[in-house]
Amino acid sequence: DVKVTQSSRYLVKRTGEKVFLECVQDMDHENMFWYRQDPGLGLRLIYFSYDVKMKEKGDIPEGYSVSREKKERFSLILESASTNQTSMYLCASRRQGPEQYFGPGTRLTVT
Amino acid sequence: DQQVKQNSPSLSVQEGRISILNCDYTNSMFDYFLWYKKYPAEGPTFLISISSIKDKNEDGRFTVFLNKSAKHLSLHIVPSQPGDSAVYFCAANIIQTGANNLFFGTGTRLTVIP
Repeated sequence: DVKVTQSSRYLVKRTGEKVFLECVQDMDHENMFWYRQDPGLGLRLIYFSYDVKMKEKGDIPEGYSVSREKKERFSLILESASTNQTSMYLCASRRQGPEQYFGPGTRLTVT
Repeated sequence: DQQVKQNSPSLSVQEGRISILNCDYTNSMFDYFLWYKKYPAEGPTFLISISSIKDKNEDGRFTVFLNKSAKHLSLHIVPSQPGDSAVYFCAANIIQTGANNLFFGTGTRLTVIP
């Protein structure tokens, strides 16, 4: 079974803080993704990575950056958290086919 | 611009009856479609998919129908069970270009009433 884990299920941060969300997959997948999910907006792609140290912007990259130093780990960084970044953050991975496998999500609240 | 649309935010169905969830898309390049199911506080899980060369794919109680001319797909759940209550997302991909990312709809919350 593919396993995608995320470092925290719930996180509360203050405005202006730097926030790190970690994602690890154990299936040697090349591709990894970060989404945010908001009511009425579905899943929106923030960034994805198709290999170590490689990254591509998704639909809503503003205010975020990513890091992929190892194949199994993909980090999402909020340089200076703002209240409009309060959301559910979902990490996913895939190998060759289109199916993506998701982690359990991190519910981030920025106050 | 939303390329994959789920126009019904919610749907309620009696247990044992059929649930039909709908999805429309605008990009004729999409050649692979997926349905995901999401429970609260969990990540989406893959449910069923269909390639654009087919018009139907069935897996147990779940069937996906694709109408390419109408750019429409639907997920049928028969019979519906209370455990099916979740948010369902439709997603699309362009396999022929090797595109990495999926395009997701906004989701439909299904409630199955016992």
